[in-house]
Amino acid sequence: DVKVTQSSRYLVKRTGEKVFLECVQDMDHENMFWYRQDPGLGLRLIYFSYDVKMKEKGDIPEGYSVSREKKERFSLILESASTNQTSMYLCASNPPGGAREQFFGPGTRLTVL
Amino acid sequence: GENVEQHPSTLSVQEGDSAVIKCTYSDSASNYFPWYKQELGKGPQLIIDIRSNVGEKKDQRIAVTLNKTAKHFSLHITETQPEDSAVYFCAAFRYSGAGSYQLTFGKGTKLSVIP
Repeated sequence: DVKVTQSSRYLVKRTGEKVFLECVQDMDHENMFWYRQDPGLGLRLIYFSYDVKMKEKGDIPEGYSVSREKKERFSLILESASTNQTSMYLCASNPPGGAREQFFGPGTRLTVL
Repeated sequence: GENVEQHPSTLSVQEGDSAVIKCTYSDSASNYFPWYKQELGKGPQLIIDIRSNVGEKKDQRIAVTLNKTAKHFSLHITETQPEDSAVYFCAAFRYSGAGSYQLTFGKGTKLSVIP
């Protein structure tokens, strides 16, 4: 079974802190994604990556950056956390080809105080 | 870009009844339509999908229909059970050129099945 793991289930940070959210997948998938989930807004794509060291902006990249140094790991970085970044963050991966199932991690609930 | 509208936002049904969730999309280039189920405390999981060359697909109690002309697709769950209670997301996929693509999600439907 594909497994996507996220480093933390719950995280509490203070405004202005630098925050790292880590995601690891064990199925050798080329594509990895970071989404943000908010009530009433569904899933919104922040960034995605097709390959190591490659990244593309999604629909809401402002205030975020990403890093993909290894194929299995995709990190989301909040350079200076703000309260409006309090949200559920979901990581996903899938093989190349696009129109294929995305496998999601369990999510990280981030609270910025 | 693509816009996906999903209705209703909440849905309550009695156990054993059917549930229908509807989605519309805006871009006729979209050609793949997955449905994800998210249980409490978990990430979304694919439950069924349909491609644009197919009008209907069924998997046990779950079925999806697609009307390309009207740009809408629906999820049908029959004989609902309490374990069907979850948030359901529809999505539309399209290639956006230069090797890139876009998967756009609806805002979700919270389904509650009342025993």
